[in-house]
Amino acid sequence: GQQLNQSPQSMFIQEGEDVSMNCTSSSIFNTWLWYKQDPGEGPVLLIALYKAGELTSNGRLTAQFGITRKDSFLNISASIPSDVGIYFCAGQGSGGSNYKLTFGKGTLLTVNP
Amino acid sequence: GAGVSQSPSNKVTEKGKDVELRCDPISGHTALYWYRQSLGQGLEFLIYFQGNSAPDKSGLPSDRFSAERTGGSVSTLTIQRTQQEDSAVYLCASRPGQAYGYTFGSGTRLTVV
Repeated sequence: GQQLNQSPQSMFIQEGEDVSMNCTSSSIFNTWLWYKQDPGEGPVLLIALYKAGELTSNGRLTAQFGITRKDSFLNISASIPSDVGIYFCAGQGSGGSNYKLTFGKGTLLTVNP
Repeated sequence: GAGVSQSPSNKVTEKGKDVELRCDPISGHTALYWYRQSLGQGLEFLIYFQGNSAPDKSGLPSDRFSAERTGGSVSTLTIQRTQQEDSAVYLCASRPGQAYGYTFGSGTRLTVV
């Protein structure tokens, strides 16, 4: 089945630093999504990308849908302690499976105040 | 309700026992998903319900797993004869129709001892 490779697995940064994480796939996706999960909670949607090459921002977050439709990155600028959590990329396919999301394994972000 | 509600939030069960996990989706959301999140892993698709269509059960790991959705609303995931490898967080999500981006519940943490 489709698989997403998400990196890095974990990051330890100082408050105020910028962060970048990315996902790559061997398959094409029609939509890329980025979620954040806090401890004991379900993932919450941060950004959705619908077109190849699209660059979208949401506050301090910026994400891009790769031109090849096989990759995406998420940047967080000027990190703050509440950015701590697990970030997941997810891709939504086409055709008969276009209702399923395939998730990466997540990036655990720790921000030191 | 305002969000996706799952119960119980935590469940500890003995190996070999059956368990039922409940999901109450957002009112009006026709699509409902179950995912499983094991420690250090991404989210693994289990099953998908859309309206009155036949569910996509392709992600269920074994015939010990089953799910139903009554009246197009509440869903129950049943695991029979639980095994230790079933220990995970079981997440339910819903979305309206074909819209992108799910809304997740907080999950049920299942521990099989």
